[in-house]
Amino acid sequence: AQTVTQSQPEMSVQEAETVTLSCTYDTSESDYYLFWYKQPPSRQMILVIRQEAYKQQNATENRFSVNFQKAAKSFSLKISDSQLGDAAMYFCAYRSGPIYNTDKLIFGTGTRLQVFP
Amino acid sequence: TAGITQAPTSQILAAGRSMTLRCTQDMRHNAMYWYRQDLGLGLRLIHYSNTAGTTGKGEVPDGYSVSRANTDDFPLTLASAVPSQTSVYFCASSPGQALNSPLHFGNGTRLTVT
Repeated sequence: AQTVTQSQPEMSVQEAETVTLSCTYDTSESDYYLFWYKQPPSRQMILVIRQEAYKQQNATENRFSVNFQKAAKSFSLKISDSQLGDAAMYFCAYRSGPIYNTDKLIFGTGTRLQVFP
Repeated sequence: TAGITQAPTSQILAAGRSMTLRCTQDMRHNAMYWYRQDLGLGLRLIHYSNTAGTTGKGEVPDGYSVSRANTDDFPLTLASAVPSQTSVYFCASSPGQALNSPLHFGNGTRLTVT
């Protein structure tokens, strides 16, 4: 069974600095997608970034980028120039396809990020 | 655009009572999901529906049932609530089963079973 592990329950960063949130996953499949979701105190789930397993190039969305290491099954999120609005719970998630009869998004346990001024 | 609407926003429910959490989407998405979020456990899938008329069990289906009579609605029913069902419940949808289809989430329902 696929699993997603976020080993950092909490992280903190100074405003304008860079922080990296770690995520590892376990799977025997070759085709899948990885996602990072942000959950601010409002409880809303917001998609931050996504990465296809077949793409070697790391995805980037403005200040957010990932370091995808397929062989190591690692998918970390880097937040550059951190802002107070980045404070939230961040979830790493894995999705495989219906051909494996597992069409669902599997989440890690989350990392709470605090941003200090 | 409304996206996904969940109701109620929060609820306190006595153990043994039944309740239906409502979820409606206006994006004509085929796939819909119910997750529960618990501290330290992340989000866990309860039930899902790939298209109207079909449903499937997720990771933690016991004590819950769903139906998908049409594309827009995906209610979650607790037949006889227990305290361990105290949680925040999220409904989500995606356009299809393509791997890159992100999930769109509702704002959640906080349920407390006493």
